[in-house]
Amino acid sequence: GAGVSQSPRYKVAKRGQDVALRCDPISGHVSLFWYQQALGQGPEFLTYFQNEAQLDKSGLPSDRFFAERPEGSVSTLKIQRTQQEDSAVYLCASSPRGRYEQYFGPGTRLTVT
Amino acid sequence: AQTVTQSQPEMSVQEAETVTLSCTYDTSESDYYLFWYKQPPSRQMILVIRQEAYKQQNATENRFSVNFQKAAKSFSLKISDSQLGDAAMYFCAYRSAEWQGGSEKLVFGKGTKLTVNP
Repeated sequence: GAGVSQSPRYKVAKRGQDVALRCDPISGHVSLFWYQQALGQGPEFLTYFQNEAQLDKSGLPSDRFFAERPEGSVSTLKIQRTQQEDSAVYLCASSPRGRYEQYFGPGTRLTVT
Repeated sequence: AQTVTQSQPEMSVQEAETVTLSCTYDTSESDYYLFWYKQPPSRQMILVIRQEAYKQQNATENRFSVNFQKAAKSFSLKISDSQLGDAAMYFCAYRSAEWQGGSEKLVFGKGTKLTVNP
């Protein structure tokens, strides 16, 4: 079946602009995760959902970051007033009920100029 | 908080040879899962192998196997008969399995870049 998809694959934003990154999880997967991966680093957790409920947002770096998953399927990560330090790859992953492994999408590379 | 350490920023191996990537972790939990993920230049994170902490037997997936030492908090990945397609960044990751207070998030190490020489 189809894997996790993310769009756009690349995004260039001027500092101060708002951006929205989309994640389509594998159909039927209950849990959805967002990670931020800086250049040359491992991914770092941002937030996760179980269905439409956001159960953990402890990794969001500031109140400029906001994530939603209103119908328990597609999720959007929004970054307001982007800063240069927000430049990174944003990875989305999903996981089926009762399973602990996560399946990742190809990521969105955000460059803030 | 849990941490994962990969002490080898880069490794190289000759095609058809064997290479071992190191990973150590720190946790006070007794129940957890460990993973190795591969990330080629395309950026797609691919699950290579997983290990449940309660299992004493080391996991094996074809040419990939792990050496899990729970007491030492060590989880190394062995790649046998290395192939050119194995070249990638490899990340070790930890996930809690605790029922109370555990998080489903993955905690990653900084990664090891593996080069395979023909």
